[in-house]
Amino acid sequence: DAKTTQPPSMDCAEGRAANLPCNHSTISGNEYVYWYRQIHSQGPQYIIHGLKNNETNEMASLIITEDRKSSTLILPHATLRDTAVYYCIVRPYNYGQNFVFGPGTRLSVLP
Amino acid sequence: DAGVTQSPTHLIKTRGQQVTLRCSPKSGHDTVSWYQQALGQGPQFIFQYYEEEERQRGNFPDRFSGHQFPNYSSELNVNALLLGDSALYLCASSEGDHNSPLHFGNGTRLTVT
Repeated sequence: DAKTTQPPSMDCAEGRAANLPCNHSTISGNEYVYWYRQIHSQGPQYIIHGLKNNETNEMASLIITEDRKSSTLILPHATLRDTAVYYCIVRPYNYGQNFVFGPGTRLSVLP
Repeated sequence: DAGVTQSPTHLIKTRGQQVTLRCSPKSGHDTVSWYQQALGQGPQFIFQYYEEEERQRGNFPDRFSGHQFPNYSSELNVNALLLGDSALYLCASSEGDHNSPLHFGNGTRLTVT
């Protein structure tokens, strides 16, 4: 079973920041938080991952709380092309451990 | 640099038949994982191959088998197809380090009639 909890759906206005929450209250010290998104009819796309420090790349920012029990993915200026299902996954730092996907959050960016 | 490529993109089979799906990993990646995604659900892990051996397996029956070749490409075989095997089959590759993210292909859409 997935070790994360996400809201099933969210809306965001185009041009505004999209903040997608994820709860992972049972996360262990060696588990990373990964975010993927899946646009209709495509494979999941890697966005970002982190252990305990906040991370930023060209796509998004990942904010992890100090106790690591929750995180937020931030898309700073959402566009219509960001409409997708977003998956938050925790994965142990063990060689070969697979990714367990939950149902994710369906983000709709509205014009 | 090509990403993960899968073939075919779509496939229609009849119940009871066998199917083989193919995957070429992203350049530099040595590990291949396969996932099944039913409509409206998240991907479910089938198995992972590394150094031509199955390293980890999810909760799928023995009808699902795979292979990895010396060039790291991989095949997924499904025997005795059932209607419930209709799904998007995703291949993902990764580098052989501990926190390397998976990179997914766009999948093969299998329809069993």
